[in-house]
Amino acid sequence: DAGITQSPRHKVTETGTPVTLRCHQTENHRYMYWYRQDPGHGLRLIHYSYGVKDTDKGEVSDGYSVSRSKTEDFLLTLESATSSQTSVYFCAVQGAFGTDTQYFGPGTRLTVL
Amino acid sequence: DQQVKQNSPSLSVQEGRISILNCDYTNSMFDYFLWYKKYPAEGPTFLISISSIKDKNEDGRFTVFLNKSAKHLSLHIVPSQPGDSAVYFCAATRTGTASKLTFGTGTRLQVTL
Repeated sequence: DAGITQSPRHKVTETGTPVTLRCHQTENHRYMYWYRQDPGHGLRLIHYSYGVKDTDKGEVSDGYSVSRSKTEDFLLTLESATSSQTSVYFCAVQGAFGTDTQYFGPGTRLTVL
Repeated sequence: DQQVKQNSPSLSVQEGRISILNCDYTNSMFDYFLWYKKYPAEGPTFLISISSIKDKNEDGRFTVFLNKSAKHLSLHIVPSQPGDSAVYFCAATRTGTASKLTFGTGTRLQVTL
């Protein structure tokens, strides 16, 4: 347990509405990540952050934006949700500095109708 | 282009026997590999990792083998237990690239009594 919580844990929304998912960590990890998990694709990186206000794109960043105004919080925003963004979203943190191991939160299941 | 492949979607093994999960990769720049275990409705849990400077790493019942020339790694679980029933993801990264992980599609392991 790397002290990661995600909120909400479940959300149902409609196409075209904005959605923000929150990842909160309590152990001062520098690197944070957002992944989505879909059948047949495993987990795919959406965006990541390497410090406050420092973020970069991952493999599947289209339609998503992120923000990190505090070390402990990493927000993922869907500006205008689409049905293709129905997925399970996982936040992760890098373990000890200099290692490549990541530790994951419990996930948010998002359904876009 | 799937850079990390897990070609077996599922595997069934009897309790007490060995489980062998396989993973292939195509990107020769990957130099650090990880296995995660995932139960339904939970986040992935880190199991074991291996650096490309090694060909084997062991942790209790779990052993990961790396064959760099074949771009192949495998996870051995001995002996298998019913609690090992889960989806196992292989992941890879290149050291120094912000630990961005590329995941396989997962193998569902069922350990039967």
